[in-house]
Amino acid sequence: SQQGEEDPQALSIQEGENATMNCSYKTSINNLQWYRQNSGRGLVHLILIRSNEREKHSGRLRVTLDTSKKSSSLLITASRAADTASYFCATDGRPTPGGSYIPTFGRGTSLIVHP
Amino acid sequence: DGGITQSPKYLFRKEGQNVTLSCEQNLNHDAMYWYRQDPGQGLRLIYYSQIVNDFQKGDIAEGYSVSREKKESFPLTVTSAQKNPTAFYLCASSNGHPGLAEGRNTQYFGPGTRLTVL
Repeated sequence: SQQGEEDPQALSIQEGENATMNCSYKTSINNLQWYRQNSGRGLVHLILIRSNEREKHSGRLRVTLDTSKKSSSLLITASRAADTASYFCATDGRPTPGGSYIPTFGRGTSLIVHP
Repeated sequence: DGGITQSPKYLFRKEGQNVTLSCEQNLNHDAMYWYRQDPGQGLRLIYYSQIVNDFQKGDIAEGYSVSREKKESFPLTVTSAQKNPTAFYLCASSNGHPGLAEGRNTQYFGPGTRLTVL
């Protein structure tokens, strides 16, 4: 199954700065998702972008998708210390008999926002 | 953590013992999943279930077993056959129905169980 790979592995910024993390994948997708994981907790779904969409916004989050380059980026604007977490992209992975896909997760980008 | 509970939060096991991790959801989701996460790693799929009384092996099923007797519950047993069980275990569920704005494969995660083998 394919896997999205996030870049960079780690990112350290000051509060108020923007944070950009990228995800590359290998084969065609139906959609791409971004999740957030606080230390020692479960993942939380942030945003889903479909293959026919190029950009999507949710609050301070902006996600872009470039299917020609097989890449996506997640931008967090005006970052806060509370944004400190790991961020994962998830792409179509294992198909199921019902016609859906079990997302395949990358290794994540660890973001630290310093107050 | 979206209506999914996992217990216990921390679990210690002696080598050679089986342990069962609990996962319960009240989201009325058909599909449930178990993942394993090791430090600095992504999530690896252990088992998944699309419907009650049916489940499928994921990528790393060896040494694990599951059951799905109720829609709300998907317990994972880590058996003594699992050679390196120390890890963070995450349970998730999804609606799985087509046409959802959020996507049929969007997953909702529990808070996780950290298993340590002593």
